[in-house]
Amino acid sequence: GAVVSQHPSRVICKSGTSVKIECRSLDFQATTMFWYRQFPKQSLMLMATSNEGSKATYEQGVEKDKFLINHASLTLSTLTVTSAHPEDSSFYICSASHGGTGNTIYFGEGSWLTVV
Amino acid sequence: AQSVTQLGSHVSVSEGALVLLRCNYSSSVPPYLFWYVQYPNQGLQLLLKYTTGATLVKGINGFEAEFKKSETSFHLTKPSAHMSDAAEYFCAVSDRGNFNKFYFGSGTKLNVKP
Repeated sequence: GAVVSQHPSRVICKSGTSVKIECRSLDFQATTMFWYRQFPKQSLMLMATSNEGSKATYEQGVEKDKFLINHASLTLSTLTVTSAHPEDSSFYICSASHGGTGNTIYFGEGSWLTVV
Repeated sequence: AQSVTQLGSHVSVSEGALVLLRCNYSSSVPPYLFWYVQYPNQGLQLLLKYTTGATLVKGINGFEAEFKKSETSFHLTKPSAHMSDAAEYFCAVSDRGNFNKFYFGSGTKLNVKP
């Protein structure tokens, strides 16, 4: 079946550095992908909608200059956390819509980011 | 904006007992409703969803949920818990006008005791 894969599953980075998380649709093309973030004991919150070939659409309150999203191909979206700070430590998860299966949404495994 | 409330961040049941995970949403227009399960180190897996039609929805692994508009609820149940059901469960909604955007509850971790 359709699979969405994220990499890395866990990453630790130093404060002030940037880190990139990849989201790939493995056996289907996804013109739209979505990025969510989950803080401990809180809901998964939609951060942005990633559109292939165009700019991402960010939810209110999400800093687009800090969370750079690039959807350069139909199977890959990347989220780059720039100048990371400890408060950016969170669980990040992506999803992709598979139009071929009735627009079913598939989620990646998620990525744990820890900023030290 | 939509909001989703899951009562109980942790629920513990004995094997063979009824599982009941609660979910309420806030929306004047009934949204699409979903339950997802997440096993450790894995992605979210769709258990079931309600879009239209019959309000009692059956999903995978013996789970079912009932959409109750008057109560703005979509509680998840399973008659008999199995050890393999231990996981985290997320209730989610999406707008009918933009079904790709999800709003999640905070999740409920289900523990199944032998």
